[in-house]
Amino acid sequence: AQSVTQLDSQVPVFEEAPVELRCNYSSSVSVYLFWYVQYPNQGLQLLLKYLSGSTLVKGINGFEAEFNKSQTSFHLRKPSVHISDTAEYFCAVKRKGAQKLVFGQGTRLTINP
Amino acid sequence: DTAVSQTPKYLVTQMGNDKSIKCEQNLGHDTMYWYKQDSKKFLKIMFSYNNKELIINETVPNRFSPKSPDKAHLNLHINSLELGDSAVYFCASSQPRDADNEQFFGPGTRLTVL
Repeated sequence: AQSVTQLDSQVPVFEEAPVELRCNYSSSVSVYLFWYVQYPNQGLQLLLKYLSGSTLVKGINGFEAEFNKSQTSFHLRKPSVHISDTAEYFCAVKRKGAQKLVFGQGTRLTINP
Repeated sequence: DTAVSQTPKYLVTQMGNDKSIKCEQNLGHDTMYWYKQDSKKFLKIMFSYNNKELIINETVPNRFSPKSPDKAHLNLHINSLELGDSAVYFCASSQPRDADNEQFFGPGTRLTVL
């Protein structure tokens, strides 16, 4: 079975500062990795995904993530955050060929002016 | 042109009542899902249907019964509602033929049981 751990439940940062949201996963088989964002009172929206190939993945809104197989991590980064990035961020994993998406506990990113 | 829509957006009801949540997707996807997000924001899959056939059924009380009249719709009926059913329920859809099977989510239905 797959599992995902998001190491920080809350991350406060100042506007225009860089941010990293950490995600570690556990799986004995090959997986796909995803980051979703949930803005207040909205559904989930895909930020980016890692399927294969280059370990650095670029997504929407200036976010990127790096897949590290040896550390089983898929940390999300943004070099300069904006107030509008305030949201809940979810890391998720899916076994290749499977339907089931397993989510981490979420990280609340709060941007302070 | 909403991709995945859910109704209602908010649902407030008394304990013991029966209620339904509806979901529709216009993406032409074959697979649909129901997720529950609890008060701590934890998201867990409940059910998945592929072409009207149940393929994922996690450990969910049998008071919850999904129904898929066609592959564009997946409804969730809940009998004898309990306080612990209060949560946000998300519908999602995906196309299994796509390599990554990316899931597209609806806006959620916030259920409050009093």
